[in-house]
Amino acid sequence: KQEVTQIPAALSVPEGENLVLNCSFTDSAIYNLQWFRQDPGKGLTSLLLIQSSQREQTSGRLNASLDKSSGRSTLYIAASQPGDSATYLCASFPSGTYKYIFGTGTRLKVLA
Amino acid sequence: DAGVIQSPRHEVTEMGQEVTLRCKPISGHDYLFWYRQTMMRGLELLIYFNNNVPIDDSGMPEDRFSAKMPNASFSTLKIQPSEPRDSAVYFCASTLGAENTEAFFGQGTRLTVV
Repeated sequence: KQEVTQIPAALSVPEGENLVLNCSFTDSAIYNLQWFRQDPGKGLTSLLLIQSSQREQTSGRLNASLDKSSGRSTLYIAASQPGDSATYLCASFPSGTYKYIFGTGTRLKVLA
Repeated sequence: DAGVIQSPRHEVTEMGQEVTLRCKPISGHDYLFWYRQTMMRGLELLIYFNNNVPIDDSGMPEDRFSAKMPNASFSTLKIQPSEPRDSAVYFCASTLGAENTEAFFGQGTRLTVV
């Protein structure tokens, strides 16, 4: 059974800092992995989707990498801003299924 | 497209009452998912549909929960009778399907059972 873990659970950084959020999954046979952002009281917003054949995806200041063999993905946020404060969730899409398994999230706070 | 639309946004009900949550997926999306989010358990998949047919309902916690998708543009999640432990945020999501699995979520329904 696929399990997804995110470390750290919470992170507080000063504005401008580059930071890395980690996601690990137990079953490397995944179809893809998706990163989401969730603001308090809101739904999930898709940030980046990495297909199993890809190593990384980039969107603006965000870069997500995927290493299937080690069961890891990282989300890199460059030059963090207070507006980046939110909970970040990763979700793996195991092969042979059609459903996302979510991690518990990293709650990020960027201080002005 | 307006995205995935859920209603109501907030629902407060008394224990024992029936609750119906509604979802309109993105037009053209073949898959629809119902998730529940709580502080203790995070996001849990309850059930998902493909082309209006329930495929996997193994996450539905009890027989009190039921879900339907009568057509491609509408789905309901019903809880009858509701209990305080059902209090959570319920999300609906949809994907285009096949090789395009990027999931799009609605804003959720915050359910409080008192």
